[in-house]
Amino acid sequence: DQQVKQNSPSLSVQEGRISILNCDYTNSMFDYFLWYKKYPAEGPTFLISISSIKDKNEDGRFTVFLNKSAKHLSLHIVPSQPGDSAVYFCAASLISGTYKYIFGTGTRLKVLA
Amino acid sequence: DAGVIQSPRHEVTEMGQEVTLRCKPISGHDYLFWYRQTMMRGLELLIYFNNNVPIDDSGMPEDRFSAKMPNASFSTLKIQPSEPRDSAVYFCASGRTAYSPLHFGNGTRLTVT
Repeated sequence: DQQVKQNSPSLSVQEGRISILNCDYTNSMFDYFLWYKKYPAEGPTFLISISSIKDKNEDGRFTVFLNKSAKHLSLHIVPSQPGDSAVYFCAASLISGTYKYIFGTGTRLKVLA
Repeated sequence: DAGVIQSPRHEVTEMGQEVTLRCKPISGHDYLFWYRQTMMRGLELLIYFNNNVPIDDSGMPEDRFSAKMPNASFSTLKIQPSEPRDSAVYFCASGRTAYSPLHFGNGTRLTVT
């Protein structure tokens, strides 16, 4: 049973436009969420996080939005650049419980020049 | 900081053989995680350690899998006997505290024929 779901396996966006990656979760007890980026033949690298007490966190071109009532989070990349082409994983954790990140299956983003 | 170091990068073995994957976490990180990446399930948590002690191994698929952390700078994941369905990329990750994002190694691609 996938507790964290990324229903879009792939996404293509034109350079300079906005990329929106989506993630849904089923466990309402999750209280910390992260996005990771993964290039081929490398490990995932941390991108941005958000605590459940917030609904938005911004870092440069990257913004994560959290909608707790819908159990949904999204990552916005503006403007998208060809170097953003990678697989993006969302992850959720119970900070108040065990230190255990549950990852989604990933979305492959391709930014077209 | 050398990052999380995994070896080998690639492992090809025959069904029934023993496989040992190795990981050196970032110095000073108290948490170590083993994940497995497959297309169908994304990044699955297998086991994690805190201060060298296994905390949660509920993700270990079956008794053929075992993991050890004899000291703060080394961990192994062993599969004995290996099966073709174990073919995947195995990642090791470490974290400084229970609230820190994880730092991943570059993974070991395991192929069992």
